[in-house]
Amino acid sequence: AQSVAQPEDQVNVAEGNPLTVKCTYSVSGNPYLFWYVQYPNRGLQFLLKYITGDNLVKGSYGFEAEFNKSQTSFHLKKPSALVSDSALYFCAVRDFSGSARQLTFGSGTQLTVLP
Amino acid sequence: GAVVSQHPSWVICKSGTSVKIECRSLDFQATTMFWYRQFPKQSLMLMATSNEGSKATYEQGVEKDKFLINHASLTLSTLTVTSAHPEDSSFYICSAREGVRETDTQYFGPGTRLTVL
Repeated sequence: AQSVAQPEDQVNVAEGNPLTVKCTYSVSGNPYLFWYVQYPNRGLQFLLKYITGDNLVKGSYGFEAEFNKSQTSFHLKKPSALVSDSALYFCAVRDFSGSARQLTFGSGTQLTVLP
Repeated sequence: GAVVSQHPSWVICKSGTSVKIECRSLDFQATTMFWYRQFPKQSLMLMATSNEGSKATYEQGVEKDKFLINHASLTLSTLTVTSAHPEDSSFYICSAREGVRETDTQYFGPGTRLTVL
């Protein structure tokens, strides 16, 4: 079965500093990986995805993520955090080798950017 | 990116009544739509997957007779919570996949806050 782990419930970072939100996954085949952001009382907004190709994926709002197959990780990064980046971030995986065809979400990481 | 809307954004109802939530893909056709439930400070739990013109596929533990899903067109899916009870109070989020390939992105609606008194 596929699974996603976001080891940190909360990440705090000062505005202007780089940020990293961690994600590791477990699948039986090739993973398709996604990052979404959720603002309070709102649905999820798509940030970026990895399907194949370059391991460094660039997405919306200056975010990027690096796919690392050996470490089974897909950490979300941004070089310089903004206060407006404060939100709940979800990593998700879809495994295409087995019968599962749905997105499996991590537990979410609350990012707080301090002014 | 593609836009998914939900209506209503919030609803309060009395116990025993039914509530219908609409999910629309505004600028694309969605063969497949998904319904999720989210509890406070928790992740999304998939309730069911609906394909246009066919019956929805429900996840284990989700009562299909309680959570009725209809996907009558390529741009509209509805979730009806029948005989709602306070424990059904939650944040319901729909999602639509743009395109027919499974590598295509899922876009999410803004969610519907249901409170059952």
